[in-house]
Amino acid sequence: DTTVKQNPRYKLARVGKPVNLICSQTMNHDTMYWYQKKPNQAPKLLLFYYDKILNREADTFEKFQSSRPNNSFCSLYIGSAGLEYSAMYLCASSRDPGTGDAETLYFGSGTRLTVL
Amino acid sequence: GEKVEQHESTLSVREGDSAVINCTYTDTASSYFPWYKQEAGKSLHFVIDIRSNVDRKQSQRLIVLLDKKAKRFSLHITATQPEDSAIYFCAASMLSGSFNKLTFGAGTRLAVCP
Repeated sequence: DTTVKQNPRYKLARVGKPVNLICSQTMNHDTMYWYQKKPNQAPKLLLFYYDKILNREADTFEKFQSSRPNNSFCSLYIGSAGLEYSAMYLCASSRDPGTGDAETLYFGSGTRLTVL
Repeated sequence: GEKVEQHESTLSVREGDSAVINCTYTDTASSYFPWYKQEAGKSLHFVIDIRSNVDRKQSQRLIVLLDKKAKRFSLHITATQPEDSAIYFCAASMLSGSFNKLTFGAGTRLAVCP
């Protein structure tokens, strides 16, 4: 099963309120990624976990937090949502390095966040 | 950091014709160039890739060309079929041993018309 699951599919949030998005995979992949996708723009990497180590991109460092309580789950947390956070959030995972197909990212269907 | 530009935002071809999608990148250190496809209502999935040690790769009806000098790569879909209709994303990365930080283009919406 090469499925990455994201919940919920749609989320509505109020400006200034926190948002928590969930992603899971049962492929035992070491690395999990979060991308932000706005209409007509490229998916933008926000952060990723390699095993238990969190790496956040420099330009989104203060805006997003994440946790990975076990190998299968990864969350994306926004402490105080602003209108500019309205986007599709895509979770992906990739295999252990050194195994075949380690470069391929497996994507979930995304969570569409609307901030009002 | 790396920037990937996808030149065609939309592309329409007749069924059976070829489609070509072009991308350019900026970082000469990039060495891995995959393509992902997103069909309506579905998630992105990998279709084909090319590494910087070759300049051409083919998988069935898909051909990827890489011109490192021009920092350009392209996806050619031959004998297009209706099921090829989708959004195609090109990407680039400098492969590390532990993870793959892909920088994506903005996508090309391909319509294959009967």
